[in-house]
Amino acid sequence: EAGVAQSPRYKIIEKRQSVAFWCNPISGHATLYWYQQILGQGPKLLIQFQNNGVVDDSQLPKDRFSAERLKGVDSTLKIQPAKLEDSAVYLCASSLGGLGEKLFFGSGTQLSVL
Amino acid sequence: SQKIEQNSEALNIQEGKTATLTCNYTNYSPAYLQWYRQDPGRGPVFLLLIRENEKEKRKERLKVTFDTTLKQSLFHITASQPADSATYLCAPSTSGTYKYIFGTGTRLKVLA
Repeated sequence: EAGVAQSPRYKIIEKRQSVAFWCNPISGHATLYWYQQILGQGPKLLIQFQNNGVVDDSQLPKDRFSAERLKGVDSTLKIQPAKLEDSAVYLCASSLGGLGEKLFFGSGTQLSVL
Repeated sequence: SQKIEQNSEALNIQEGKTATLTCNYTNYSPAYLQWYRQDPGRGPVFLLLIRENEKEKRKERLKVTFDTTLKQSLFHITASQPADSATYLCAPSTSGTYKYIFGTGTRLKVLA
């Protein structure tokens, strides 16, 4: 079974630039999550999709972050403009969507904002 | 606000001993609680799920307990091995949502 695919693996940008991350979840997984993980901390939920609808985006800084999930499959997370404090690993996860279903994570995109 | 706390300090134990990691939560009534393992440079990997009506769950050398009165889950690794060295994350979830909030994680180091 193919896992959750994320790209790019690493990204270095300067502050005020824009950046986009891509995620391809496991086939058939209805729920897709984007998490931000700052070094030494646990993953912080940014946005949760159920199929192509947003379930929770309460922690997403909407003035600079946006996300979409086209046709309920792939998803893109964008930051525009980036700030120094956005330096983190951005993790995508997917699940079947039932209660208690485990999450499958990608390897993440490590973003460095200089 | 909902808060999930794990020991932020690293836990060092000798090989063969039992490691016990703690997850405490406040302002929260999770119906499920999951534990994940995360290695450096990788995404978390699911280990175990325990439901609110289950006191204990086991899988091979792993054991998880869930005390809804104390608002705490304990994660045990028996006969620990250096290969168990990693960061362990707990993630409670309330019923009615598929939303998982992660704790800060505890870094475990098993010394040979």
